[in-house]
Amino acid sequence: GAVVSQHPSRVICKSGTSVKIECRSLDFQATTMFWYRQFPKQSLMLMATSNEGSKATYEQGVEKDKFLINHASLTLSTLTVTSAHPEDSSFYICSARDLGNGYTFGSGTRLTVV
Amino acid sequence: AQKVTQAQTEISVVEKEDVTLDCVYETRDTTYYLFWYKQPPSGELVFLIRRNSFDEQNEISGRYSWNFQKSTSSFNFTITASQVVDSAVYFCALSAAGGAGSYQLTFGKGTKLSVIP
Repeated sequence: GAVVSQHPSRVICKSGTSVKIECRSLDFQATTMFWYRQFPKQSLMLMATSNEGSKATYEQGVEKDKFLINHASLTLSTLTVTSAHPEDSSFYICSARDLGNGYTFGSGTRLTVV
Repeated sequence: AQKVTQAQTEISVVEKEDVTLDCVYETRDTTYYLFWYKQPPSGELVFLIRRNSFDEQNEISGRYSWNFQKSTSSFNFTITASQVVDSAVYFCALSAAGGAGSYQLTFGKGTKLSVIP
């Protein structure tokens, strides 16, 4: 079946630095990818929808200059958290719309900003 | 706007008991998909089922079964003879259907299931 590989699975960074999270569709082309954020004991909140070759569409309240999304190819989307602060610590997870009209999720990235 | 409501925040059952997780949804789309995902403590989302809105047939997969009732906008999930490994957070989700559009998933808040040995 469809597989989405997300890296890194866990990252700790210092406040003020930037962190890049990669999401790759391994055996299918993903025209659209979605980025979610999940705080402890809460649901997944959609941050942005990423379409290959065009600018991402951000949800209300999500700072596009802080959460940079690049979807330069049909198999790779990246989320860069710029100038990270402790409040950005969270679980980030990507998903891609697969060929069967389902959604395949990456395994998630746990970001801790110290 | 789409909305998914999982009224049960947390449920605890004793092993081997049956348990039903409720999901009620709202949508203006005429065709849509409903999903259930399992999220164990490790964090990854495990796909359980997808149901198209025009297919109201109930489904059974091993100890799992799903009851889709369009008349009440519900898509409930039952685990029969629960096991400790079923302990996780379960999410119900909804998306529009049709074509290859950028249809986003709308998630419920999740139900945390604890199965006690």
